[in-house]
Amino acid sequence: GAGVSQSPRYKVAKRGQDVALRCDPISGHVSLFWYQQALGQGPEFLTYFQNEAQLDKSGLPSDRFFAERPEGSVSTLKIQRTQQEDSAVYLCATITANYGYTFGSGTRLTVV
Amino acid sequence: GENVEQHPSTLSVQEGDSAVIKCTYSDSASNYFPWYKQELGKRPQLIIDIRSNVGEKKDQRIAVTLNKTAKHFSLHITETQPEDSAVYFCAASKAAGGGNKLTFGTGTQLKVEL
Repeated sequence: GAGVSQSPRYKVAKRGQDVALRCDPISGHVSLFWYQQALGQGPEFLTYFQNEAQLDKSGLPSDRFFAERPEGSVSTLKIQRTQQEDSAVYLCATITANYGYTFGSGTRLTVV
Repeated sequence: GENVEQHPSTLSVQEGDSAVIKCTYSDSASNYFPWYKQELGKRPQLIIDIRSNVGEKKDQRIAVTLNKTAKHFSLHITETQPEDSAVYFCAASKAAGGGNKLTFGTGTQLKVEL
C-alpha cells in the first residue's frame, strides 16, 4: 500500500473489555513501531518490530498489552482488560532507511 | 533513556511574525532530530529533520538549528501563516540500535492570529 493504514479509526470499549488494533504498514517496510499518544501529550514508544521479530517491547506499560506481527507485515496491538488510563490514540509507524517515519492516522481508544 | 524537553507549551504570534520552539535532549548518543506538525485529530507529519553532522537546515520558511555541545535544537518558522497553526513536536533518536525509536517532546501549541 501507499501509506500506513490503521483500523478501527475509533474504538469505544467498556472497562474490562479486550480490544485489538490493526496496523497495515507500507508494503515492504521491515520496521514497524507502535506509539501511544495520550491527550495533550507527545507520542510515547510502545514496541518495535523488525519483520516478524519483536525486538523491543520496553515501552509496553503492562502485561495487559501485547503486540504481534506474525508474517512480518500486518501488526496487531492487543489490550486485555482495558482500563480508563488506556484511553489514548495508538499510532503505528514504519520507517525508511534514512530514519524517516510515516505514521498512520491512529486509532482513538476510549475506555468507558 | 533519552529525555526530551520542549518549550514553550503554547505560542501565539501574529500572522507574518516568526515563531521559535526550543528543545533539549539528554542522551549525547542521539543524532537524529525530526520535527512533526500535528493538526487536530490527524497524524503527525514530518516537516523537517536534522542530523548531528550539520548545525542548520532550512526548507523555505522553516529552519532547524542544532547545538550538539549544549544538546539543544530549535525550530524556526518565518512569515507565519494561519495554516501554520497546529501542535509541533520535536523528537530525538539514535542512529543505530533500538530500532531508531523516537523520544518526543511534550509539544507546542502554535496559534497564528490574523
